[in-house]
Amino acid sequence: SQQGEEDPQALSIQEGENATMNCSYKTSINNLQWYRQNSGRGLVHLILIRSNEREKHSGRLRVTLDTSKKSSSLLITASRAADTASYFCATDGSGSARQLTFGSGTQLTVLP
Amino acid sequence: NAGVTQTPKFRVLKTGQSMTLLCAQDMNHEYMYWYRQDPGMGLRLIHYSVGEGTTAKGEVPDGYNVSRLKKQNFLLGLESAAPSQTSVYFCASSPKGDRPLGFGQGTRLTVV
Repeated sequence: SQQGEEDPQALSIQEGENATMNCSYKTSINNLQWYRQNSGRGLVHLILIRSNEREKHSGRLRVTLDTSKKSSSLLITASRAADTASYFCATDGSGSARQLTFGSGTQLTVLP
Repeated sequence: NAGVTQTPKFRVLKTGQSMTLLCAQDMNHEYMYWYRQDPGMGLRLIHYSVGEGTTAKGEVPDGYNVSRLKKQNFLLGLESAAPSQTSVYFCASSPKGDRPLGFGQGTRLTVV
């Protein structure tokens, strides 16, 4: 079963616009992470937000976390064609290995 | 420092054949994971390891076995391949259970 579910499944925007992706999850978490995957490549970690944090920034990325609504959002500002990729949220489990559970992803296309 | 390296990158198997996927990391990470990625389903955890000599089942372990004889290597075995195991397999590692994962580039496996 998948803990995180991203919305929308696909998003197409023009270069320079902002892109917002949402993630909802079902059970309590310790942290939530966002990853990016370029076509045919492995996943790359973008940002981690802990359950006691509400907002975090990294460059053009802004992540928010609302634990009361069990949801998170990833905002990419001033998007570029190179931001075209799939974006996944991942939530940690309660086991000792804190294994991550991934959502099905949002496919972002940034048109030049 | 190569990070996480997966071997092979591509493989075609006939139903019933066996094979081993190798994952090697040079970052001295304790935790290692095997995921599979299928279209529209995100990543699902197959098996993981929290240290040399340890392994544990993830969400979809059936049909797979793993071994972690050396800290830097995590092997995923398919004893009798089935078409349902056609997928892209990703290995990942992290220094601790609550840290971001570093992923390999993936192995695309087709079982015919």
